[in-house]
Formats: sequence, C-alpha cells, structure tokens
Amino acid sequence: GESVGLHLPTLSVQEGDNSIINCAYSNSASDYFIWYKQESGKGPQFIIDIRSNMDKRQGQRVTVLLNKTVKHLSLQIAATQPGDSAVYFCAENMGGADGLTFGKGTHLIIQP
Amino acid sequence: DTAVSQTPKYLVTQMGNDKSIKCEQNLGHDTMYWYKQDSKKFLKIMFSYNNKELIINETVPNRFSPKSPDKAHLNLHINSLELGDSAVYFCASSRAQDTQYFGPGTRLTVL
Repeated sequence: GESVGLHLPTLSVQEGDNSIINCAYSNSASDYFIWYKQESGKGPQFIIDIRSNMDKRQGQRVTVLLNKTVKHLSLQIAATQPGDSAVYFCAENMGGADGLTFGKGTHLIIQP
Repeated sequence: DTAVSQTPKYLVTQMGNDKSIKCEQNLGHDTMYWYKQDSKKFLKIMFSYNNKELIINETVPNRFSPKSPDKAHLNLHINSLELGDSAVYFCASSRAQDTQYFGPGTRLTVL
C-alpha cells in the first residue's frame, strides 16, 4: 500500500491523550473554514467547520479554534482513539464558487 | 445510500489515451467540483460548476474538461493522457458555498 506521511508533518500521540493539529491559512478574506479527515484509500470526510464571525466551535470530541489576527486555525481532538488515525486537512473558502483551498495536511498517528 | 459516488475507483491506462471519470451526487446539491490529489497528498481544486457557471483553475491543462449532463452528475474527461496526470481525483458537491462532501476518489495511473 501507499506510504502515508512521508511528505507530511506528523503528529504522534498516545491513545487517550488530546491532539492539537494546527493550520495557517493564507487569505484574510476567507470567511469559512473546514477541517477534513482523510483515511487511507478514502475521500476527505467533513469533521467540523467554522465561520469567520466565530472564534470557537465545538463538536463531539472535536473543537475548532480560529484566530483571525494571525490567520491560524486549530483542531483539538479529545481522548484520541485509534480510529482517529488519518491525515487531517484544513481548508478555507474565500467565498464564491471557486472551491476550497486546502492546507498541506497533518498525519495523526495514535500510539497504543 | 452513497452521497457522492465516483467510477471507476481505479483506472490504469497508457499515455496518449482519452479517459473519463464519472461522478454522481444524490444530495440535491447545486454545485459540484473536481479536485486532484498528488503523491504528496496535496489537494488542489480543478473545477467548480453549477448550472450557471464553470470556474476553471488556471493551472489545469485544457486536456481536462468537465461535462455535466444534469445537476446530479459532473464527469471529468481527459484527453491525451500524460504521465504527470497520475494522481487521485476527487469529486465533491455542495449547496452554494456550504460544506463540500467528497467522493471516494479515482486513482488514475498513466503508464
């Protein structure tokens, strides 16, 4: 199978610990941000989103933080589980129909 | 039950051939997209399309063309395939500029 993570930043955490994945976005005009999870051999799967008029949003075990001042986005995963192992992408939408701009991705590895 | 589906899942072909990848969504979305994911996992938008507008990423060669027979389908045609076209291609759909939902991907290998 394909070797995942050779060219990606990697975050290794112990099972049960909290994970924080960071992302710097490029366009201060972006108004919508999304985190996607991509497991090996699958398409990106929506996790959580946030609009630019918010700085924090919580889901089930996940929290997204947005700092517009420094154009930074983070994804926090609580009590990380083996099933959380994947590549995580942040994406920004600058408005209009021209699609999402994706970050490079971070490979999250869960240690038993 | 599948929201966004693509066929085929794997496509192996020779340089110079013409091929198509099909995409269908049953979410009732009005906008569909094609993305290319390279060997370094970098995802890049190729096209976005609704019934009014086709937006093309300027870096996409004109050998690539999207064709939409109806709102639920956006197929990707590729002419004169080149080695560098090898990648995973993802279709996605959304309602206006809302969350985009992705298909499972088509791994294209050009020999």
